[in-house]
Amino acid sequence: SQTIHQWPATLVQPVGSPLSLECTVEGTSNPNLYWYRQAAGRGLQLLFYSVGIGQISSEVPQNLSASRPQDRQFILSSKKLLLSDSGFYLCAWNVMAGGPREQFFGPGTRLTVL
Amino acid sequence: AQSVTQLGSHVSVSEGALVLLRCNYSSSVPPYLFWYVQYPNQGLQLLLKYTSAATLVKGINGFEAEFKKSETSFHLTKPSAHMSDAAEYFCAVTSSNTGKLIFGQGTTLQVKP
Repeated sequence: SQTIHQWPATLVQPVGSPLSLECTVEGTSNPNLYWYRQAAGRGLQLLFYSVGIGQISSEVPQNLSASRPQDRQFILSSKKLLLSDSGFYLCAWNVMAGGPREQFFGPGTRLTVL
Repeated sequence: AQSVTQLGSHVSVSEGALVLLRCNYSSSVPPYLFWYVQYPNQGLQLLLKYTSAATLVKGINGFEAEFKKSETSFHLTKPSAHMSDAAEYFCAVTSSNTGKLIFGQGTTLQVKP
């Protein structure tokens, strides 16, 4: 069966510090991968998605970047965090086989920038 | 372009009462539709999905949703609310062939004893 991991689970970082969040998927090949952010009291905002190694699409201009160095690994990064980067970050995956394309979500990372 | 509107950001029901969470979609092509549930500080869990095979879809935890093309709706219902149903619920529709989902803003369900 497929599983998705995210780490760390929680993170407290000072403004201006770097960030690296990691997401890995097991049990599937060539998945589409997604990074979302939930700010307090708001819905899901799609930040990045990737259809393959090295292929990243950015949905909104921001202080963050994403990379996909391996088929089942997706990394969210920042060189200098802002207060507005605080939120709950979710990684998700799906495959493009025929039929419904539901996404499967990881457990999330709670980031607090102070 | 596709979009999803969830009517009511907060819904409060009594334990044992009917749960109705509303979702309307906009899509120029036949849609795939989903309902997800999110408990505090957790990821999203798929409740059910519309695959075009049947308009009434049954999901986990006693939830079901009915696809009504004429009303462009996909409302989520449960006959009798449990305290454990308190969570945030998201409706979503697929976006073209990229695999991306378009999410509604979410509805927080409160269940009162």
